Amino acid sequence: DIVMTQSPDFLGVSLGERATINCKSSQSVSYSSNDKNSLAWYQQKPGQPPKLLIYWASTRESGVPDRFSGSGSGTDFTLTISSLQAEDVAVYYCHQYYSSPFTFGPGTKVDIK
Amino acid sequence: EVQLVESGGGLVQSGGSLRLSCAASGFTFSSYAMSWVRQAPGKGLEWVSSISSGGTTYYADSVKGRFTISRDNSKNTLYLQMNSLRAEDTAVYYCARKSLGSCYSQPDVWGNGTTVTVSS
Repeated sequence: DIVMTQSPDFLGVSLGERATINCKSSQSVSYSSNDKNSLAWYQQKPGQPPKLLIYWASTRESGVPDRFSGSGSGTDFTLTISSLQAEDVAVYYCHQYYSSPFTFGPGTKVDIK
Repeated sequence: EVQLVESGGGLVQSGGSLRLSCAASGFTFSSYAMSWVRQAPGKGLEWVSSISSGGTTYYADSVKGRFTISRDNSKNTLYLQMNSLRAEDTAVYYCARKSLGSCYSQPDVWGNGTTVTVSS
């Protein structure tokens, strides 16, 4: 099974500042045939279902603000919020869909400092 | 509008059974893989099961042999039959559409969830 880890567990960021969340997989989630990484990022606010932000590690879902970006390859990935807004307070999860079981990271809580 | 609506949750005793349903609308249900993902109170997301458009199924080890995922394309509905329920199955269960017919794609649309509580 691929184990997903995230750091930090909690991130306090001032409004307008950058937030960076890291995700690491215990095995590569990259397809060598096309260099695609089967890694997605989700945002979950209290009482709401998860919302897809990023897929294939760096492709932004339609309608997601461009302050959200994803990067990385192989086993190491990053979600960056370039300028934190109040509405970005949430828990963020990475998720690998490379192999079953399709595992999630433990989550990173982002709040305003 | 693409929509997923879960139902069937409730309070059940340990060892009991429940069947969850997820009614899909606004897209061609038969063309997409589907998943169940759960979230225990105050905890993170846990993938439970997926089914491809062609009917191939996958399960987390924690539910294998107890839960069965199925789909009825004529009714645009996804199911999760849950047997031999345990206290640790207590969670909000989300239905999610995968972006392709293959299970090896990202969930892109989620329902609001249905709550399952297993009492011991």
